[in-house]
Amino acid sequence: QVQLVESGGGLVKPGGSLRLSCAASGFTFSDYYMNWIRQAPGKGLEWVSYISTTGATIYYADSVKGRFTISRDNAKNSLYLQMNSLRAEDTAIYYCARETHTTGRNWFDPWGQGTLVTVSS
Amino acid sequence: DIQMTQSPSSLSASVGDRVTITCRASQSITTYLNWYQQKPGKAPKVLIYAASSLQSGVPSRFSGSGSGTDFTLTISSLQPEDSATYFCLQTYNNRYTFGQGTNLEIK
Repeated sequence: QVQLVESGGGLVKPGGSLRLSCAASGFTFSDYYMNWIRQAPGKGLEWVSYISTTGATIYYADSVKGRFTISRDNAKNSLYLQMNSLRAEDTAIYYCARETHTTGRNWFDPWGQGTLVTVSS
Repeated sequence: DIQMTQSPSSLSASVGDRVTITCRASQSITTYLNWYQQKPGKAPKVLIYAASSLQSGVPSRFSGSGSGTDFTLTISSLQPEDSATYFCLQTYNNRYTFGQGTNLEIK
């Protein structure tokens, strides 16, 4: 079945770095755009970053631009998020999500189960 | 960035009630609007995409409507398992934004 599994979360000090991974299975990973979305504890959802099928096109939310880097390895069916210069406000559950994109419509499905990143001294 | 204003932020309704949640975009997003359901401790699940298309496997009591700036998610006959938080998401441009969420409680 189609599945996304995130890993790499944990506790990190402010200013530190962390690399999240998202392992995909059950579908042709290289055919799909991918995204990272986060949710601070008890808060709503915030889109973080997007990457096209080949990695040629990438977008970031202003809140992470210059600090986070999205990438993918289609040979390994994996998506990554390198997070540098972490701040307390980056504390959140980070989800990866597959984006289905057809003419005039696109949506996220499925999502992974999420990985918790806590930035605290 | 496109701002998505979702209302209400919370509501309480009884089994069998008809429930409506709305999202308003700060500019036209045509029909690039999705609705998600999230239960505690779980990842969000898509209910509606392209404003009114029902995702496969989602019960037909869920429906979506709207275009341009105003969108609605309707649950025609509320069921106990519909207790959850609901979010809208605009995918019109490549800086996606979510609504603030609606916490739906079953009385």
